[in-house]
Formats: sequence, structure tokens, C-alpha cells
Amino acid sequence: QKEVEQDPGPLSVPEGAIVSLNCTYSNSAFQYFMWYRQYSRKGPELLMYTYSSGNKEDGRFTAQVDKSSKYISLFIRDSQPSDSATYLCATSGAGSYQLTFGKGTKLSVIP
Amino acid sequence: ETGVTQSPTHLIKTRGQQVTLRCSSQSGHNTVSWYQQALGQGPQFIFQYYREEENGRGNFPPRFSGLQFPNYSSELNVNALELDDSALYLCASSGRDRSNEQFFGPGTRLTVL
Repeated sequence: QKEVEQDPGPLSVPEGAIVSLNCTYSNSAFQYFMWYRQYSRKGPELLMYTYSSGNKEDGRFTAQVDKSSKYISLFIRDSQPSDSATYLCATSGAGSYQLTFGKGTKLSVIP
Repeated sequence: ETGVTQSPTHLIKTRGQQVTLRCSSQSGHNTVSWYQQALGQGPQFIFQYYREEENGRGNFPPRFSGLQFPNYSSELNVNALELDDSALYLCASSGRDRSNEQFFGPGTRLTVL
């Protein structure tokens, strides 16, 4: 079992839809959770950085962590064609410098 | 604020050769991590450098080595290249107090023929 599982998609939604992206993880020592956006042939861009369980909102993006079920989510409201990219979830343990990534979900937002 | 930069953008090498990739960290950051991203996969941690010392290493063989310089820039060296080394190599920088809040550069795409 991989430490972080993420459905690779692809996921295609119409413009304006609410998008839900999800990951599960197996290591209960993970305490930090991140979401990155990666456009084709570019480096990952940090979208959200959260600690432990709960929600964090930033503009149209909401990150949600449920440590009891080892489940992390990213919601995108009012999705735009410019949101079309691969979304990567990542985790790390307390005091750890190593990020463990999922495979990424490819999202297409259709105008 | 200057972001993370990497050079070169693309590189083509043949099996058995050696390669050096370079990274300049974001201003104010003193920690550099390197990742390998194969096509269709998430990045895999290679190692991290802090204060010019290797601070941790993922599951990569010794032919992957690195350096960090006093200005916090870094190099990744790969010896005896194999076909499977073809990937996007990503550098990420962070501050020491939040070393897992990492900001990535654009990457170097390495092709091994």
C-alpha cells in the first residue's frame, strides 16, 4: 500500500462547478498536509499548507483534513478554466522535512 | 522576492554519463530539497541540504549526490546515468523553522538515451 493514495483522474468539470479532490494516507504520524497545483511542464505551486485536522479557506480554495479517517480534501468553488492543472496532495510528519506526495489528479475545467 | 530558479531547463544525456543540475533558493530560505518526478507520478524525495550538510535522504542510491553552498544554492549530481533516471528534477526551498513548507522551482527535465 502506498503511503498516499490519490485518484489520478482525469476529472473534467464545467466552468463554475465545485470541484472536490481527495487523498487518503496510511501513516498516522503525518501531521502536515499540503496541496500543490502543477501546470503542464512546470514546477508544483503551493496552494494550501495545513496542520492537523480541520478546515482552511483561501479564496475559492478550501482544504479539509480528517485525521480520524486519514482523508484530505481540496474543494475549489466557482472553478475556472485557469484551474485546469494537476493537483498534488502531500504530507509530512512533525519535524520532518520530507514530503510524501500522491500521484496527482489531472483536472480540466471546460468553458 | 525572488523565487526558486533552476538550470538548465532541459538536458539530454546518454547512459553512463554524469550530470549536474543547479538550484538557487528563494530569498530568505536556507534549506534546499531535491525531488525526482517521473512522468505521471508525484515527486519523490531525494535529499535535503541545510547548512551545507545533507540533512536527510530518500530511497535513492549513492550515485545521487549533492552540494549546498554558503549562499544556500545547491547542486544535484547524478553519476552513471540510467535510462530510468529520465524525469523532471525539482528543487524546493524552505525556511529552517518550517522546513516542510516547500516552494518549488520550475524543474530540469532530464532525458537519458
